[in-house]
Amino acid sequence: EVQLVESGGGLVQPGRSLRLSCGVSGFSFGDYAMSWFRQAPGKGLEWVGFIRSNLHGGTTDYAASMQGRFTISRDDSKGIAYLQVNSLKTEDTAVYYCNRRLKASAFDYWGQGTLVTVSS
Amino acid sequence: QSALTQPASVSGSPGQSITISCTGTSSDVGGYNYVSWYQQHPGKGPKLMIYDVTNRPSGVSNRFSGSKSGNTASLTISGLQAEDEADYYCSSYTSGSTLEVFGGGTKLTVL
Repeated sequence: EVQLVESGGGLVQPGRSLRLSCGVSGFSFGDYAMSWFRQAPGKGLEWVGFIRSNLHGGTTDYAASMQGRFTISRDDSKGIAYLQVNSLKTEDTAVYYCNRRLKASAFDYWGQGTLVTVSS
Repeated sequence: QSALTQPASVSGSPGQSITISCTGTSSDVGGYNYVSWYQQHPGKGPKLMIYDVTNRPSGVSNRFSGSKSGNTASLTISGLQAEDEADYYCSSYTSGSTLEVFGGGTKLTVL
């Protein structure tokens, strides 16, 4: 059974940094690109970015609005994907989801999400 | 404001069919056959229902089908069931600076 479990969310003050983790099981992690999304309370889905498999260079792409403060990385030996967010703003408050990128625009397995609340 | 335009809400009775539209541009929906649809129940993560405009992942009911005409993609749900009540989001690959764009979501109510 494929499982993705996000962790690392919580209450954070504006300006601080946070690193979210996404542990996976049930598939060969190194063979797939992994992606992050977020969903602000009561709002729609917003793509953050993704990281290709190391077979495809392990490079990253981000939504234009996420460039600069967001960094996605991966550790294939541990089967974990990471999302680093710097200089957090109140508008970053959201549930953050990781998922497996099957192909362009197709994200076939999702975690349950982790809530990040940015507030003083 | 979302890049793709969806109706805010649709409704239907059990057994009926409904269609949700998703309108973009020639840079996204109209330019690529990389349109997907996601179902999200309250408090849950999204579930992929359709990808590549018409393909269903394994395990997704054949009551769900997708199509596209020009810059508009559509999700049709036939034989509506109570458990279909959820939010539905469309997405598309795009040639813009953001590779993936989404619609604002459509709330489906099963009457």
